[in-house]
Amino acid sequence: DAKTTQPPSMDCAEGRAANLPCNHSTISGNEYVYWYRQIHSQGPQYIIHGLKNNETNEMASLIITEDRKSSTLILPHATLRDTAVYYCIVRVASGYSTLTFGKGTMLLVSP
Amino acid sequence: GAVVSQHPSRVICKSGTSVKIECRSLDFQATTMFWYRQFPKKSLMLMATSNEGSKATYEQGVEKDKFLINHASLTLSTLTVTSAHPEDSSFYICSARNSPGQASREGAFFGQGTRLTVV
Repeated sequence: DAKTTQPPSMDCAEGRAANLPCNHSTISGNEYVYWYRQIHSQGPQYIIHGLKNNETNEMASLIITEDRKSSTLILPHATLRDTAVYYCIVRVASGYSTLTFGKGTMLLVSP
Repeated sequence: GAVVSQHPSRVICKSGTSVKIECRSLDFQATTMFWYRQFPKKSLMLMATSNEGSKATYEQGVEKDKFLINHASLTLSTLTVTSAHPEDSSFYICSARNSPGQASREGAFFGQGTRLTVV
């Protein structure tokens, strides 16, 4: 699986949009971009994933650049409960592939 | 999404004893389960992958005789930490996947994690 690069930490004010970047310049054509988050002392939680089109669900939006070398996870209205480590992972969408976690971005949402 | 239940959520044990952690898929059949370990302020590290009815595949550096994995049914996998030492204290997390031939939308479903403290 391709490697990803994320900033180690970010701050966001409650109610504002949180934009978390991820660089995956070596991504392959058959690799998806997945985002998970891990709230302290809990297991990871799936957020969203995409291949090349932008995606949106009830939790977040995923913006993937046209060359697919980077992406941005957007939490439109961050709340205190969104404070967590956010992991960007690229992987082949196959049942046999594993999830390799990097260091992620620690997002701190403040009042 | 599907639910993966991990038990216990916390356990404290004495050095030299063994501890068993259970991981159950509650509403789907998990053909593949993964066990991760996470040290404080570090990322998740994959320990092993197990497929139902076959032996687990361990990552490099993980002692298979120390971390016994059993995946005897499609809804249950167990990780037993044998002869535990204080350095085994960590956060252990399981994840499960359904059909091996197709990826679930979420990629994998994760348990809540088990905080193991060896004293």
